[in-house]
Amino acid sequence: AQSVTQLDSQVPVFEEAPVELRCNYSSSVSVYLFWYVQYPNQGLQLLLKYLSGSTLVKGINGFEAEFNKSQTSFHLRKPSVHISDTAEYFCAVTPPEGQGGKLIFGQGTELSVKP
Amino acid sequence: DGGITQSPKYLFRKEGQNVTLSCEQNLNHDAMYWYRQDPGQGLRLIYYSQIVNDFQKGDIAEGYSVSREKKESFPLTVTSAQKNPTAFYLCASSALTSEGTQYFGPGTRLLVL
Repeated sequence: AQSVTQLDSQVPVFEEAPVELRCNYSSSVSVYLFWYVQYPNQGLQLLLKYLSGSTLVKGINGFEAEFNKSQTSFHLRKPSVHISDTAEYFCAVTPPEGQGGKLIFGQGTELSVKP
Repeated sequence: DGGITQSPKYLFRKEGQNVTLSCEQNLNHDAMYWYRQDPGQGLRLIYYSQIVNDFQKGDIAEGYSVSREKKESFPLTVTSAQKNPTAFYLCASSALTSEGTQYFGPGTRLLVL
């Protein structure tokens, strides 16, 4: 079965420092990959997605992610974080076609940006 | 404004009571989903629907029921059979394309009295 692993449950970082949130997935076939952000007591907002083409994907709020097929990874990065980036981040993957467009989510990474 | 609305924002349930969470979308999406979110467990799929009057169980459907009488609406009922209903419930919708990007509502927090 498909699975998504977010390697860090919590990532503390100082303001203006770079950050990387790690995501690995298990799949032997092509998949689509997503990163979502969730601010406290809110729904999920799409940050970026990889469908095909360039392996470096740029999203909102200065985030980007790199798709690495050989390592089955889709790590999220930002060169300089702000206090307002404090939130929970979820990596997700769609299983192969024919499974109803269901998303499989990782457990989430809580990013805490300190002044 | 196009989007997904969920109501109420907070809901309190008494022992043995059924409660219904509302989800409405005006994005003209065919597919709708319900997720349950517990701390440290990510999102788990409860039910999903790809077409009116049809829906499928997700990974944790026991103790829940849904209906899809209109394309825009996908209410979730938490029944008395759900023994641990305290959680944050998220509704999402998507077009029926292969990529299936899902868009989420603001969520409903269910608490047990």
